[in-house]
Amino acid sequence: QVQLVQSGAEVKEPGASVKVSCKASGYTFTSSDINWVRQATGQGLEWMGWMNPNSGNTGYAQKFQGRVTMTRNTSITTAYMELSSLTSEDTAVYYCARAAPTVTTAYYHMDVWGKGTTVTVSS
Amino acid sequence: QSVLTQPPSASGTPGQRVTISCSGSSSNIGSNTVNWYQQLPGTAPKLLIYNNNRRPSGVPDRFSGSKSGTSASLAISGLQSDDEADYYCAAWDDSLNAYVFGTGTEVTVL
Repeated sequence: QVQLVQSGAEVKEPGASVKVSCKASGYTFTSSDINWVRQATGQGLEWMGWMNPNSGNTGYAQKFQGRVTMTRNTSITTAYMELSSLTSEDTAVYYCARAAPTVTTAYYHMDVWGKGTTVTVSS
Repeated sequence: QSVLTQPPSASGTPGQRVTISCSGSSSNIGSNTVNWYQQLPGTAPKLLIYNNNRRPSGVPDRFSGSKSGTSASLAISGLQSDDEADYYCAAWDDSLNAYVFGTGTEVTVL
C-alpha cells in the first residue's frame, strides 16, 4: 500500500539545523509532489512547501524562504526537509504528505500523510 | 496567520448534523477547489474531502462538502463519537503561490 515513513524524533539546540527524511513506497515516487507541513503543539497546520521528486523543483512558503531546503534521493525513494537556524518557535511535529497528481494547482491536495516527526529545539 | 477562517469549535449530540464553515477570498477558495482534512487526537491529518465535494475511498457518505463563492462548508450527518477530531479546510492560494490551511475547528460530540 502507499505509505510515507518518516525518520525519528530529533532534539536540537537553538541555531542548529535539522534534516527529516520521508521514505515513500507503494507508488511511483517521481509521479507526485511531496509537501511538508508542520504543527506546533496545540496549534494548526502550517504548510512549508513542496518538492517535485522528478525534477527536483521546489516551492517554499514565504515564511521559510532562505531557511528551508527540500531535496530527494530518487534511488531510495526518499524526500528530505532541512530547516536551519532553529529557534524554539520551530518546535513542532513535521509531516510529509504526497500531493495527488494534478495538472493544475487549482485541484492541489494531499492524499497520503506520514505519521510525523517531532522536532524539539531546546538548549 | 491563516488566510482561511473557521470557527474554533462545533458540537452536537450523537446522530445530529454539524456543519463547519470556511471563509476565504478570491485568490484561494474563489479560484480553486477546497479540501478538508480530519485530524483525530494524536494522529496525522487524513484527507476527508477533496475538490470541494469528492470523498476518497473509505470515507463515509456522512461527510459532505460544498463551496459557494469564497466560502465552503463541511457537513457531518449522523454524528458519531469517533468523529471527535479537528477539521481543517485548505486550498491553493494563487496570490501567495502557497497551499493554505484554515484555522481549524474542533468538533465535540456531547
